[in-house]
Amino acid sequence: QVQLQESGPGLVKPSETLSLICTVSGGSISSYYWNWIRQPAGKGLEWVGRIFTTGSTDYSPSLKTRVTMSVDTSKNLFSLKLTSVTAADTAVYYCARGNSFDYWGQGTLVTVSS
Amino acid sequence: DIQMTQSPSSLSASVGDRVTITCRASQSINTYLHWYQQKPGKAPNLLIYTASSLQSGVPSRFSGSGSGTDFTLTISSLQREDFATYYCLQTSSIPRTFGQGTKVEMK
Repeated sequence: QVQLQESGPGLVKPSETLSLICTVSGGSISSYYWNWIRQPAGKGLEWVGRIFTTGSTDYSPSLKTRVTMSVDTSKNLFSLKLTSVTAADTAVYYCARGNSFDYWGQGTLVTVSS
Repeated sequence: DIQMTQSPSSLSASVGDRVTITCRASQSINTYLHWYQQKPGKAPNLLIYTASSLQSGVPSRFSGSGSGTDFTLTISSLQREDFATYYCLQTSSIPRTFGQGTKVEMK
């Protein structure tokens, strides 16, 4: 059974960089798109972007200038970096697999606060 | 960007009721439409992919239909564990976009 697990700091200061990792277990990371999605408290889901195992990326236009994704196939993980964060970036961040988002991590809350 | 509009935003229903949620795309997305259920504090769970295919392990009371711009998620007989928020997602184009969600509450 494929499992995804997000990890990273739960608290980030304004103007700093949010960094998260999604570790994939129970299956290979190869030949799939891997997505990041976020959800502010009490609100809906927002797609942040995706990365293919070749390293090819697509980002949300609203976040494109601040987002970088990378993948490490040898470690079966991929990562998200979001620069110059503000309180508006406070959210639960999820990772999910593929074009249909069939497997999700449990989510990790990231709070932007000084 | 393709805008996804779900309706209603919320609904009240009873166990055993038939429930229908709709999702409308701002342009044609063929059948690149998926449905998710989310319970409080949990990640979304895939119910239906490519408009009408039931994800493995999902009860058969869930069904989906539609193509182009108009899509429907139906729960044939609502069960207690189905009270949750439901989202649609289009994967026809980048950026991926979700509907705003439909909260199904107990009447």
